[in-house]
Amino acid sequence: QQQVKQSPQSLIVQKGGIPIINCAYENTAFDYFPWYQQFPGKGPALLIAIRPDVSEKKEGRFTISFNKSAKQFSLHIMDSQPGDSATYFCAAIPSGGSYIPTFGRGTSLIVHP
Amino acid sequence: SQTIHQWPATLVQPVGSPLSLECTVEGTSNPNLYWYRQAAGRGLQLLFYSVGIGQISSEVPQNLSASRPQDRQFILSSKKLLLSDSGFYLCAWSNEGRGTDTQYFGPGTRLTVL
Repeated sequence: QQQVKQSPQSLIVQKGGIPIINCAYENTAFDYFPWYQQFPGKGPALLIAIRPDVSEKKEGRFTISFNKSAKQFSLHIMDSQPGDSATYFCAAIPSGGSYIPTFGRGTSLIVHP
Repeated sequence: SQTIHQWPATLVQPVGSPLSLECTVEGTSNPNLYWYRQAAGRGLQLLFYSVGIGQISSEVPQNLSASRPQDRQFILSSKKLLLSDSGFYLCAWSNEGRGTDTQYFGPGTRLTVL
């Protein structure tokens, strides 16, 4: 059972475009939502993270939008660059229990020059 | 600052051979440790996690086992590899206690079973 649904599976944009990756969750116990960026052959690296008490968080060209009532969150990449081409994973971590994150299935992003 | 190491970086093994992958973390104490497997073009599958020395939880039944002989060392093993064990193996750590701190991943080990 997939508890975090990520879409789209792949995304192609032109340089300067604003790719948007969406995630939706069901478990209301989730209270921490990180995004990871993974380049081929490398481990995922933390990109940005948000807690549900805020609706938006920006770090450089990366923005997370969070809609608690809809149980959805999304990643926006402003002024995308070819170097942003990577796979992006969203995740959701519960507030207690085993502390095990649930990951989305990933989005492969290609930014054309 | 904290760092996480994995070795080897790549490994090619024949079917039926044993496996030992090692992960170590520096700069923190009593971390939560995790092993993931990532098939080509796929998501992250949690294999094992550990909240302390000798404490291992398995998420999926399989041909693999894990051990934590020291606080910051996590080992993934197999007695006899299967073709289906091929993949990209990732170790990760997070701070002890509440899981609302994120996981930090190592560089990974690419395992090919022939």
